[in-house]
Amino acid sequence: DSGVTQTPKHLITATGQRVTLRCSPRSGDLSVYWYQQSLDQGLQFLIQYYNGEERAKGNILERFSAQQFPDLHSELNLSSLELGDSALYFCASSVELGSLTYEQYFGPGTRLTVT
Amino acid sequence: GDSVTQMEGPVTLSEEAFLTINCTYTATGYPSLFWYVQYPGEGLQLLLKATKADDKGSNKGFEATYRKETTSFHLEKGSVQVSDSAVYFCAYSGAGSYQLTFGKGTKLSVIP
Repeated sequence: DSGVTQTPKHLITATGQRVTLRCSPRSGDLSVYWYQQSLDQGLQFLIQYYNGEERAKGNILERFSAQQFPDLHSELNLSSLELGDSALYFCASSVELGSLTYEQYFGPGTRLTVT
Repeated sequence: GDSVTQMEGPVTLSEEAFLTINCTYTATGYPSLFWYVQYPGEGLQLLLKATKADDKGSNKGFEATYRKETTSFHLEKGSVQVSDSAVYFCAYSGAGSYQLTFGKGTKLSVIP
């Protein structure tokens, strides 16, 4: 158990709908990352938040957005869903202090199926 | 652009065989390098890491050495077990950034 929790575990929805994925980082971790894992694209970084502020953006679609709340949990919002958005969405967290690199701890993922 | 290339799978080995999964990277500066493992139906777990050239990461019998001259971070294990069956991902984080760039993953199946 990494200490990172994600809900829900599975989500099935229709095209055009909107969903929200939730992530709670490990206790004490200030950074949250979102990744998408799909068969054709592999594992791709979407977005990072650090202590409530957006830190970095990767290959995140405009239809997707995220935020990190004062209690440090994060939500990933996916809207106008398409069949191609079906994937496993992972959240990860890490501690960041200065310029040191700390490993990321991954949650179990949310499997999204768009029908 | 920056990228990670790892050997295509799947790889099937007999128990106690020697394992090598090749990984090379293209990145500027001095990235940190990682191997993550994903067991069936689970999230990713950090297997080992190396943060500077010539560092050797090791864990659970797995090893990888950060070779800057060949921009490689090959994963090795001397004697695999059935329980090592999983997908292995090579990844790096670039200097000054923290997000991970992953290879496509290599599926390992170990048969008794």
